[in-house]
Amino acid sequence: GAGVSQTPSNKVTEKGKYVELRCDPISGHTALYWYRQSLGQGPEFLIYFQGTGAADDSGLPNDRFFAVRPEGSVSTLKIQRTERGDSAVYLCASSLGIGELFFGEGSRLTVL
Amino acid sequence: LAKTTQPISMDSYEGQEVNITCSHNNIATNDYITWYQQFPSQGPRFIIQGYKTKVTNEVASLFIPADRKSSTLSLPRVSLSDTAVYYCLVPYNPGGKLIFGQGTELSVKP
Repeated sequence: GAGVSQTPSNKVTEKGKYVELRCDPISGHTALYWYRQSLGQGPEFLIYFQGTGAADDSGLPNDRFFAVRPEGSVSTLKIQRTERGDSAVYLCASSLGIGELFFGEGSRLTVL
Repeated sequence: LAKTTQPISMDSYEGQEVNITCSHNNIATNDYITWYQQFPSQGPRFIIQGYKTKVTNEVASLFIPADRKSSTLSLPRVSLSDTAVYYCLVPYNPGGKLIFGQGTELSVKP
């Protein structure tokens, strides 16, 4: 597939559990973004990678959230000790730079 | 640091032209203006990007006045399938990250 792939598409977990969400960007795209979106709201910026490094992680809400991109391609968003307020759709996007973002379909996280 | 402001919602009818205006008073010299469209349960999708004057592609036009403090997305002859949320974005400098606002929810009626 040529698009951004996110897995899982749906994840239901219990409060306090650990969750990993994966993003497989378009091949060759150096920039990768994570957003989360709650119902009726616009996507909220979380973190932005340029290559392997986090160029801007100012949107991560607290230290329970962490993201990695070890080889400059696939990225994983990790959420520790999940809370009900973490329930949202987590969107990943990639781009060649500060240009058009290509979004995946998102991972819907539900914390019970 | 550029922040965008756009109407929360708009209504239209099939076949009409729709214009959605976005304000970005603090846009920086090097910033481009980008518009995205989002359908329910999907990620946003790029529509159009511009720097100044007018840009047109197969789905929309983007009008940007000389002072670049606003921009207008124009959708010609909308159809029911254009019902979506439309976002105007300007890079949040430094770093280039893109910040989404609340967007404009466009409802096209038959």
